[in-house]
Amino acid sequence: QKEVEQNSGPLSVPEGAIASLNCTYSDRGSQSFFWYRQYSGKSPELIMFIYSNGDKEDGRFTAQLNKASQYVSLLIRDSQPSDSATYLCAVKENRDDKIIFGKGTRLHILP
Amino acid sequence: DVKVTQSSRYLVKRTGEKVFLECVQDMDHENMFWYRQDPGLGLRLIYFSYDVKMKEKGDIPEGYSVSREKKERFSLILESASTNQTSMYLCASSPPDRVGQYFGPGTRLTVT
Repeated sequence: QKEVEQNSGPLSVPEGAIASLNCTYSDRGSQSFFWYRQYSGKSPELIMFIYSNGDKEDGRFTAQLNKASQYVSLLIRDSQPSDSATYLCAVKENRDDKIIFGKGTRLHILP
Repeated sequence: DVKVTQSSRYLVKRTGEKVFLECVQDMDHENMFWYRQDPGLGLRLIYFSYDVKMKEKGDIPEGYSVSREKKERFSLILESASTNQTSMYLCASSPPDRVGQYFGPGTRLTVT
């Protein structure tokens, strides 16, 4: 059974600090990695994707991938109250187009 | 921008009714997916489709069927709704290859 594991949280971070969200996955064949943000009562929104080992930056967001450790992370710099949401980690093989989602980490930015 | 729309935001049905949930995407994506999302259980894949008239079972297909007669439209059918099918239903689409999926706004279905 392929799995994507995340700490459910809540993770509380002061406004302006760096929020660090982590995810591990079980299938070494995974090739594509995604982070989704989901506000309460809304649908998931794709915010980052990464394919290669290392870091990928987009504005205040940085995705980090370490395939050897089967580990993906999302850093949010200068955290804002509007970043308070559940963040879903998702992993995809190249063999098909299904995505395996983690159950999400609830992030709460403290004003 | 990718746009995925779902026919209803909220729906209330009675046990035993046949329920149709419609999803339409405007980006000519080959792949379409139906999920349900429940507290503590995360997103669970019900069915997906790689092309018109093609369908594949996901992790929890029991009690559901799907139809894809046109590339842009993917329908989820509850043949005889039951209370344990009360949930948030999310449709998603994606092109092939390594990009992610794009979700519709969701339909919150309540079966009484």
